[in-house]
Amino acid sequence: AQSVSQHNHHVILSEAASLELGCNYSYGGTVNLFWYVQYPGQHLQLLLKYFSGDPLVKGIKGFEAEFIKSKFSFNLRKPSVQWSDTAEYFCAVGSNFGNEKLTFGTGTRLTIIP
Amino acid sequence: GAGVSQSPRYKVAKRGQDVALRCDPISGHVSLFWYQQALGQGPEFLTYFQNEAQLDKSGLPSDRFFAERPEGSVSTLKIQRTQQEDSAVYLCASSRAIAGGYEQYFGPGTRLTVT
Repeated sequence: AQSVSQHNHHVILSEAASLELGCNYSYGGTVNLFWYVQYPGQHLQLLLKYFSGDPLVKGIKGFEAEFIKSKFSFNLRKPSVQWSDTAEYFCAVGSNFGNEKLTFGTGTRLTIIP
Repeated sequence: GAGVSQSPRYKVAKRGQDVALRCDPISGHVSLFWYQQALGQGPEFLTYFQNEAQLDKSGLPSDRFFAERPEGSVSTLKIQRTQQEDSAVYLCASSRAIAGGYEQYFGPGTRLTVT
């Protein structure tokens, strides 16, 4: 069975600080990996995705993530956060063929202090 | 273009009542998913359709939960004899295939409160 662990439940940073949110997964096969973001009062939006190839993927709003297969990790990073990055961030894993259902982590709440 | 829409956005039901939640996927998206999100948790998979075929219902928590997508477009999630533990946000997503994989697009959810 698939599982996803997000170790940081709530992260508080000042503007311009660097961000790294952890994500580890467990899955017995080749995976597709995703980060979703949920801004206050809005629905889940896709931030970035990894299917194959270059393990460093870039997404919207300056976010990037690195897939490290040996560590079963897909950490999200941003060099300099903004107040508008305040949101809930979810890591998700899915199979790369057949059933596309996603398994999500419990989420990390990010609060940026101006 | 239009995204995934869900109705109602909020639903309050008395314990024991039946409820029906509707999802309108993005036009042309073949795959449709239902997830349940409890407070403080990530979304959890309930069921998956490809066109009108329900290919996976392994996440439905009990036989009180039933989903359909009769014409391969709009889907309805029905919960019979609601219980307090059914209180959650129910999310619908539709998916499109892209090079190498797929992308799921989520609706705003229906917040169900069972009193």
